[in-house]
Amino acid sequence: GQSLEQPSEVTAVEGAIVQINCTYQTSGFYGLSWYQQHDGGAPTFLSYNALDGLEETGRFSSFLSRSDSYGYLLLQELQMKDSASYFCAVRAGRRALTFGSGTRLQVQP
Amino acid sequence: ETGVTQTPRHLVMGMTNKKSLKCEQHLGHNAMYWYKQSAKKPLELMFVYNFKEQTENNSVPSRFSPECPNSSHLFLHLHTLQPEDSALYLCASSPGAENTGELFFGEGSRLTVL
Repeated sequence: GQSLEQPSEVTAVEGAIVQINCTYQTSGFYGLSWYQQHDGGAPTFLSYNALDGLEETGRFSSFLSRSDSYGYLLLQELQMKDSASYFCAVRAGRRALTFGSGTRLQVQP
Repeated sequence: ETGVTQTPRHLVMGMTNKKSLKCEQHLGHNAMYWYKQSAKKPLELMFVYNFKEQTENNSVPSRFSPECPNSSHLFLHLHTLQPEDSALYLCASSPGAENTGELFFGEGSRLTVL
């Protein structure tokens, strides 16, 4: 089977940097995705890493280490609007994405 | 606006009712998905359709019956549900079902079973 672990909650202040970790166990790994979901909203795609290393998109970056079965989402220059839930998800084998339980990020003034 | 529209947004039904959830995507995608989101649990994959053919059924109880008449529309027919089926049901689409890490989600249909 597949399993993903990520922290349930993270709190940070405006302007700070926060890192949300994700570890996974799966066979036939293809890649790791990150999604953002505001309360009452749809999950929206942030990034997808298939290869080791850091991918940067504006204030958000995502990292993958395939050998460690580990990835993280890095959010810089935090803004109040970044308060949301963040989900990691693995693509493995021929299966559709399997999601983690999500990390609720609260940004404080 | 994500290009994936779900109706109704909210639904309350009794355990003996029959209702349907509808999803429509305007993105020209060929794969469509149903996920279930319950409080404090991961999004659970229910069904995947690729070019109108069901390619994944994640051991979903038969009281949930999907239908995909074409690549743009996906339905989830509900009958004799249980209170534990109350959840947010999310529809998603992608260009194809192969090796994609990017899904486009609708805003979901929040179902309450009394």
